[in-house]
Amino acid sequence: GIQVEQSPPDLILQEGANSTLRCNFSDSVNNLQWFHQNPWGQLINLFYIPSGTKQNGRLSATTVATERYSLLYISSSQTTDSGVYFCAAQRYTGTASKLTFGTGTRLQVTL
Amino acid sequence: GAVVSQHPSRVICKSGTSVKIECRSLDFQATTMFWYRQFPKQSLMLMATSNEGSKATYEQGVEKDKFLINHASLTLSTLTVTSAHPEDSSFYICSASRQGATEAFFGQGTRLTVV
Repeated sequence: GIQVEQSPPDLILQEGANSTLRCNFSDSVNNLQWFHQNPWGQLINLFYIPSGTKQNGRLSATTVATERYSLLYISSSQTTDSGVYFCAAQRYTGTASKLTFGTGTRLQVTL
Repeated sequence: GAVVSQHPSRVICKSGTSVKIECRSLDFQATTMFWYRQFPKQSLMLMATSNEGSKATYEQGVEKDKFLINHASLTLSTLTVTSAHPEDSSFYICSASRQGATEAFFGQGTRLTVV
C-alpha cells in the first residue's frame, strides 16, 4: 500500500513565527488531506487538497501530485495551533478507498 | 463540511466485558465508514472498513472476532470490542465520507480503558 511520511516529527515555535510542514507519499494519490488533532483527540479537517494550492486564514497548503509531496504552511503561529498535524493520502483501488495517515508532526507554540 | 458523531467519548470497562462504540453520520448518508485505532503519540492505523449491509473488511492483523463491526444503516456503524483486555485500551476513531465524495470526516473518538 501507499506509504506516507511527514517531517519534521517535532517542531517548537515561538508565537508569531512561520513554519512549513512536509508530507511525502510513495505513489500517485486521488485524495490528500491535512488534519489538526487537538489535545482531546478530535481530528479537525484543515484541507482537502489532492493538487494545487488552497488558503484558509493563516494556513495554506500546496500539493504537487506529480512530485508526490504536500506542504502545509502556518503563518503567524499562535499557541492554539499547538497539537499534532497529520496528512493522509488515499488511492482508489476499485473498492472503498482507505486513507493512509502519515507519522504526524507534533507542534508546540510557545509564548 | 459533514458531521460525524461518535459515542461514547470515554469508557472504562472491566477485563472480560464487551464495549460498543457508535459512529453516526448526522447530516449525510455513508455506505462506507472506517474504524481506526491510535496508540499514544502514534499515528492512526486503519482497523477495518465498514460496509453498509455487508461484512466488514479487516486489515491484516486485526482480529475480526474481537472487533465486531456492524453497519446496519446508512448512518450508523458500530464497533464492539469483545472480551476486552487491558491491551485493548486505546483511542478508537471512526470516519465517513459523503456518497460519491472522497473527503473524510472524523468522529470525536472514543478513549477506551480496560481495567
